[in-house]
Amino acid sequence: GESVGLHLPTLSVQEGDNSIINCAYSNSASDYFIWYKQESGKGPQFIIDIRSNMDKRQGQRVTVLLNKTVKHLSLQIAATQPGDSAVYFCAESNGGSQGNLIFGKGTKLSVKP
Amino acid sequence: KAGVTQTPRYLIKTRGQQVTLSCSPISGHRSVSWYQQTPGQGLQFLFEYFSETQRNKGNFPGRFSGRQFSNSRSEMNVSTLELGDSALYLCASSLELAGDVDEQFFGPGTRLTVL
Repeated sequence: GESVGLHLPTLSVQEGDNSIINCAYSNSASDYFIWYKQESGKGPQFIIDIRSNMDKRQGQRVTVLLNKTVKHLSLQIAATQPGDSAVYFCAESNGGSQGNLIFGKGTKLSVKP
Repeated sequence: KAGVTQTPRYLIKTRGQQVTLSCSPISGHRSVSWYQQTPGQGLQFLFEYFSETQRNKGNFPGRFSGRQFSNSRSEMNVSTLELGDSALYLCASSLELAGDVDEQFFGPGTRLTVL
Protein backbone atom coordinates (compact mmCIF):
# COMPACT_ATOMS: atom_id res chain seq x y z
CA GLY A 1 0.00 0.00 0.00
CA GLU A 2 0.98 3.63 -0.30
CA SER A 3 1.97 3.99 3.32
CA VAL A 4 4.14 0.89 3.62
CA GLY A 5 7.89 1.15 3.82
CA LEU A 6 9.90 -0.60 1.14
CA HIS A 7 11.80 -2.82 3.56
CA LEU A 8 9.45 -3.42 6.44
CA PRO A 9 9.90 -6.57 8.48
CA THR A 10 7.20 -9.00 7.43
CA LEU A 11 5.39 -11.59 9.50
CA SER A 12 3.49 -14.20 7.57
CA VAL A 13 1.02 -16.40 9.46
CA GLN A 14 -1.67 -18.92 8.65
CA GLU A 15 -5.28 -17.94 9.26
CA GLY A 16 -6.31 -19.11 12.70
CA ASP A 17 -2.80 -19.04 14.15
CA ASN A 18 -1.67 -16.58 16.79
CA SER A 19 0.57 -13.68 15.78
CA ILE A 20 3.19 -11.94 17.84
CA ILE A 21 4.58 -8.61 16.70
CA ASN A 22 7.51 -7.14 18.59
CA CYS A 23 8.75 -3.63 19.09
CA ALA A 24 11.72 -2.09 20.85
CA TYR A 25 11.08 1.42 22.11
CA SER A 26 13.66 4.09 22.56
CA ASN A 27 12.93 6.29 25.56
CA SER A 28 13.05 4.88 29.08
CA ALA A 29 10.99 7.90 30.20
CA SER A 30 8.07 6.94 27.94
CA ASP A 31 5.02 6.08 30.01
CA TYR A 32 2.31 5.45 27.44
CA PHE A 33 2.43 2.97 24.58
CA ILE A 34 0.04 2.28 21.75
CA TRP A 35 -0.31 -0.20 18.95
CA TYR A 36 -1.76 1.00 15.66
CA LYS A 37 -2.89 -0.88 12.59
CA GLN A 38 -2.61 0.74 9.19
CA GLU A 39 -4.28 -0.64 6.11
CA SER A 40 -3.36 0.49 2.64
CA GLY A 41 -4.71 3.94 1.85
CA LYS A 42 -5.88 4.62 5.39
CA GLY A 43 -4.60 6.37 8.47
CA PRO A 44 -3.39 4.42 11.50
CA GLN A 45 -6.17 2.86 13.54
CA PHE A 46 -5.89 2.46 17.32
CA ILE A 47 -5.75 -1.14 18.51
CA ILE A 48 -4.76 -1.10 22.17
CA ASP A 49 -2.74 0.96 24.60
CA ILE A 50 -0.90 0.38 27.85
CA ARG A 51 0.55 2.64 30.50
CA SER A 52 3.91 2.07 32.11
CA ASN A 53 2.40 1.06 35.45
CA MET A 54 1.11 -2.11 33.80
CA ASP A 55 2.89 -5.00 32.11
CA LYS A 56 -0.06 -6.60 30.37
CA ARG A 57 -3.35 -5.50 28.95
CA GLN A 58 -5.94 -7.47 27.04
CA GLY A 59 -8.48 -6.43 24.51
CA GLN A 60 -10.66 -8.30 22.10
CA ARG A 61 -8.35 -10.91 20.50
CA VAL A 62 -5.33 -8.72 21.27
CA THR A 63 -2.90 -8.58 24.16
CA VAL A 64 -0.11 -6.08 24.70
CA LEU A 65 2.87 -6.95 26.87
CA LEU A 66 5.28 -4.35 28.18
CA ASN A 67 8.76 -5.14 29.49
CA LYS A 68 10.25 -1.92 30.78
CA THR A 69 13.50 -3.58 31.81
CA VAL A 70 14.49 -4.23 28.21
CA LYS A 71 12.25 -1.54 26.66
CA HIS A 72 10.24 -4.05 24.71
CA LEU A 73 6.62 -4.09 23.65
CA SER A 74 4.73 -6.90 21.96
CA LEU A 75 1.31 -7.30 20.40
CA GLN A 76 -0.31 -10.70 20.38
CA ILE A 77 -3.23 -11.33 18.05
CA ALA A 78 -5.22 -14.46 18.73
CA ALA A 79 -6.81 -16.50 15.93
CA THR A 80 -5.43 -14.22 13.22
CA GLN A 81 -7.86 -13.46 10.40
CA PRO A 82 -7.30 -12.24 6.82
CA GLY A 83 -8.72 -8.88 7.90
CA ASP A 84 -5.79 -8.50 10.28
CA SER A 85 -3.42 -8.14 7.32
CA ALA A 86 -1.91 -4.66 7.62
CA VAL A 87 1.14 -2.80 8.85
CA TYR A 88 1.37 -2.60 12.63
CA PHE A 89 3.14 0.22 14.41
CA CYS A 90 4.04 0.64 18.02
CA ALA A 91 4.20 4.17 19.37
CA GLU A 92 5.47 5.67 22.60
CA SER A 93 4.79 8.87 24.44
CA ASN A 94 5.78 10.49 27.67
CA GLY A 95 3.56 12.62 29.83
CA GLY A 96 5.48 15.73 29.01
CA SER A 97 4.72 15.49 25.31
CA GLN A 98 1.15 14.38 25.18
CA GLY A 99 0.52 14.82 21.50
CA ASN A 100 3.93 13.71 20.36
CA LEU A 101 3.95 10.05 19.50
CA ILE A 102 7.20 8.40 18.47
CA PHE A 103 6.47 5.60 16.07
CA GLY A 104 8.42 2.46 15.36
CA LYS A 105 9.19 1.48 11.79
CA GLY A 106 6.30 -0.96 11.52
CA THR A 107 5.80 -4.64 10.80
CA LYS A 108 3.78 -5.94 7.90
CA LEU A 109 1.47 -8.78 8.87
CA SER A 110 0.38 -11.05 6.08
CA VAL A 111 -2.31 -13.64 6.80
CA LYS A 112 -2.56 -16.64 4.52
CA PRO A 113 -6.04 -18.14 4.13
CA LYS B 1 -19.82 10.72 15.22
CA ALA B 2 -17.72 11.78 12.23
CA GLY B 3 -14.05 10.88 12.29
CA VAL B 4 -11.07 13.08 11.58
CA THR B 5 -11.32 14.55 8.11
CA GLN B 6 -8.48 15.88 6.00
CA THR B 7 -8.61 17.90 2.82
CA PRO B 8 -7.54 17.59 0.16
CA ARG B 9 -6.88 13.85 -0.05
CA TYR B 10 -4.41 14.17 -2.90
CA LEU B 11 -2.29 17.08 -4.02
CA ILE B 12 0.38 17.59 -6.66
CA LYS B 13 2.71 20.59 -6.46
CA THR B 14 6.00 21.64 -7.99
CA ARG B 15 9.22 22.52 -6.24
CA GLY B 16 9.27 25.99 -4.75
CA GLN B 17 5.51 26.22 -4.35
CA GLN B 18 3.76 26.30 -1.02
CA VAL B 19 0.86 24.21 0.19
CA THR B 20 -1.79 24.32 2.90
CA LEU B 21 -3.42 21.19 4.27
CA SER B 22 -6.53 21.16 6.42
CA CYS B 23 -7.69 18.94 9.25
CA SER B 24 -11.02 18.85 11.06
CA PRO B 25 -10.80 16.91 14.32
CA ILE B 26 -13.51 14.81 15.87
CA SER B 27 -16.13 17.06 17.43
CA GLY B 28 -15.10 17.99 20.96
CA HIS B 29 -11.46 17.03 20.54
CA ARG B 30 -9.09 19.78 21.56
CA SER B 31 -5.69 18.43 20.57
CA VAL B 32 -4.54 18.10 16.97
CA SER B 33 -1.23 16.58 15.95
CA TRP B 34 0.37 16.35 12.53
CA TYR B 35 2.66 13.60 11.26
CA GLN B 36 4.62 13.00 8.07
CA GLN B 37 4.80 9.46 6.73
CA THR B 38 7.36 8.39 4.13
CA PRO B 39 8.66 4.93 3.17
CA GLY B 40 12.16 5.82 4.28
CA GLN B 41 11.53 7.63 7.56
CA GLY B 42 8.22 6.14 8.63
CA LEU B 43 5.85 8.20 10.75
CA GLN B 44 7.43 11.35 12.15
CA PHE B 45 5.86 13.90 14.43
CA LEU B 46 5.57 17.42 13.03
CA PHE B 47 3.73 19.44 15.68
CA GLU B 48 0.81 19.45 18.04
CA TYR B 49 -1.75 22.12 18.80
CA PHE B 50 -3.96 22.47 21.83
CA SER B 51 -6.36 25.35 22.40
CA GLU B 52 -4.91 27.28 19.46
CA THR B 53 -1.35 27.06 20.82
CA GLN B 54 1.50 24.99 19.51
CA ARG B 55 2.37 22.70 22.41
CA ASN B 56 5.02 20.48 20.86
CA LYS B 57 7.16 20.61 17.77
CA GLY B 58 9.13 17.89 16.03
CA ASN B 59 12.46 18.15 14.29
CA PHE B 60 11.40 19.71 11.01
CA PRO B 61 12.65 22.91 9.32
CA GLY B 62 10.84 26.20 9.68
CA ARG B 63 9.27 25.72 6.24
CA PHE B 64 6.75 23.56 8.05
CA SER B 65 4.25 25.51 10.11
CA GLY B 66 0.75 25.15 11.42
CA ARG B 67 -2.04 26.74 13.31
CA GLN B 68 -5.23 25.86 15.09
CA PHE B 69 -8.47 27.79 15.07
CA SER B 70 -10.93 28.38 17.89
CA ASN B 71 -13.12 25.53 16.63
CA SER B 72 -10.06 23.20 16.91
CA ARG B 73 -9.72 22.85 13.15
CA SER B 74 -6.09 22.94 12.12
CA GLU B 75 -4.03 23.76 9.07
CA MET B 76 -0.45 23.03 8.23
CA ASN B 77 1.59 24.89 5.69
CA VAL B 78 4.74 23.93 3.86
CA SER B 79 6.57 26.69 2.03
CA THR B 80 9.21 26.39 -0.68
CA LEU B 81 8.40 22.77 -1.36
CA GLU B 82 11.21 20.29 -1.97
CA LEU B 83 11.06 16.89 -3.65
CA GLY B 84 11.67 15.27 -0.26
CA ASP B 85 8.45 16.74 1.09
CA SER B 86 6.49 14.21 -0.92
CA ALA B 87 4.72 12.18 1.73
CA LEU B 88 1.47 11.21 3.36
CA TYR B 89 0.56 13.89 5.89
CA LEU B 90 -1.57 12.61 8.72
CA CYS B 91 -3.59 14.52 11.24
CA ALA B 92 -4.69 13.05 14.56
CA SER B 93 -7.00 14.40 17.22
CA SER B 94 -7.53 13.51 20.84
CA LEU B 95 -9.99 14.54 23.53
CA GLU B 96 -7.66 15.14 26.49
CA LEU B 97 -10.55 15.90 28.78
CA ALA B 98 -8.54 15.41 31.95
CA GLY B 99 -5.27 16.72 30.54
CA ASP B 100 -3.90 13.20 30.44
CA VAL B 101 -2.42 11.33 27.51
CA ASP B 102 -5.29 10.14 25.42
CA GLU B 103 -5.96 7.97 22.40
CA GLN B 104 -5.22 9.69 19.13
CA PHE B 105 -7.60 9.19 16.23
CA PHE B 106 -6.06 9.55 12.79
CA GLY B 107 -7.52 10.90 9.62
CA PRO B 108 -6.99 9.25 6.21
CA GLY B 109 -4.16 11.63 5.34
CA THR B 110 -3.29 13.94 2.49
CA ARG B 111 -0.99 12.45 -0.14
CA LEU B 112 1.34 15.25 -1.31
CA THR B 113 3.46 14.73 -4.39
CA VAL B 114 6.12 17.31 -5.23
CA LEU B 115 7.38 17.29 -8.81
